[in-house]
Amino acid sequence: EVQLVESGGGLVQPGRSLRLSCAASGFTFDDYAMHWVRQAPGKALEWVSGISWNSGNIDYADSVKGRFAISRDNAKNSLYLQMNSLRAEDTALYYCTREAGAPEGYYYYMDVWGKGTTVTVSS
Amino acid sequence: DIQMTQSPSSLSASVGDRVTITCRASQSISTYLNWYQQKPGKAPKFLIYAASTLQSGVPSRFSGSGSGTEFTLTISSLQPEDFATYYCQQNYRTVRTFGQGTKVEIK
Repeated sequence: EVQLVESGGGLVQPGRSLRLSCAASGFTFDDYAMHWVRQAPGKALEWVSGISWNSGNIDYADSVKGRFAISRDNAKNSLYLQMNSLRAEDTALYYCTREAGAPEGYYYYMDVWGKGTTVTVSS
Repeated sequence: DIQMTQSPSSLSASVGDRVTITCRASQSISTYLNWYQQKPGKAPKFLIYAASTLQSGVPSRFSGSGSGTEFTLTISSLQPEDFATYYCQQNYRTVRTFGQGTKVEIK
């Protein structure tokens, strides 16, 4: 079964750090780009960061650039998100997603999602 | 970054109704547009890619159209299980962005 399981969320004070992990199983992890998407309570989905299969291409949303760092370990089938200088507005459910490519090429979509891990930033 | 704007933000409809949701991009994205469905307390589910190609297993009452900056998601005959929030997302740029969502509620 194709599965993504996030962990590492919790309650953290503003300004502190947290590291999220995502364990992948049921597919060849290094065949896929991976992303983090978050959703604040009652709000829309917000793309946070993405990383190519070989870590050669990494992108961030402006809202987290310079504070968050995405990484992956293909040997461990794992994706990570190091979150530093956390703010109240980073409070959200963080989803790990797999990005697949269409058979015809050029089109990419997030076809597998984990259940998410909750990050709460509060003093 | 490319901004994605959906309209309406919410709508009320009855079972059997035809429903159309619009998504506009701040610049041309050709057909690099995906649609997702999210039910309360659940992770999003991928529905459509390349603006109009249904993911395997997605009912044919769902359809997508558009190119450039304007796109639509249509549900031809709304079913009880379709009440959810729908999001568009562009994959034209590696910095991905989602629309703000459209909540489809029961009338």
